[in-house]
Amino acid sequence: AQKITQTQPGMFVQEKEAVTLDCTYDTSDPSYGLFWYKQPSSGEMIFLIYQGSYDQQNATEGRYSLNFQKARKSANLVISASQLGDSAMYFCATFGNEKLTFGTGTRLTIIP
Amino acid sequence: KAGVTQTPRYLIKTRGQQVTLSCSPISGHRSVSWYQQTPGQGLQFLFEYFSETQRNKGNFPGRFSGRQFSNSRSEMNVSTLELGDSALYLCASSLSLVSYNEQFFGPGTRLTVL
Repeated sequence: AQKITQTQPGMFVQEKEAVTLDCTYDTSDPSYGLFWYKQPSSGEMIFLIYQGSYDQQNATEGRYSLNFQKARKSANLVISASQLGDSAMYFCATFGNEKLTFGTGTRLTIIP
Repeated sequence: KAGVTQTPRYLIKTRGQQVTLSCSPISGHRSVSWYQQTPGQGLQFLFEYFSETQRNKGNFPGRFSGRQFSNSRSEMNVSTLELGDSALYLCASSLSLVSYNEQFFGPGTRLTVL
């Protein structure tokens, strides 16, 4: 079984600052994937970044990077130079048994 | 390439009615999964279809069912609606069952049961 833990229910960050959203995971699969999604108030789940368990390097996508620490079962999302449009819910998820298992999410609010 | 589309976007029903939601995956994607999102339970997996076959099912009562057509479009049906079925229903598509790095979601259907 898979489990995702996001310990930060909400965060407030000043615009242009970097922000780290925490995610720890637990899975029995030897090969797995880790995802981060952004969900604005409109409801759509927007794919941000993916990390494979065997990927040697941390994934990066523009202003998003994933700080993957396999031994600690940690997959934190780092957003550099935050923008007002980054205000949203952020979900960490892992893929296993042909389905995504999500964490409870972190509500990020960017302050001008 | 068009993204995942879901119809309708909003739906209001009353208890006891049934509802059908539709999901069209990204062109070429053959796997469609459905998720229910509520404030209390968060995001929960409903079921997954690949090549018109249900491959995996979450822990939901039999009132929740689905199917997939030969063009990979999928529908989910909820019969005898209950107030607790009010939720955002999201579908995700991927190229295949082993597409670990491809799970793209549609905009969701927001269902309100009165």
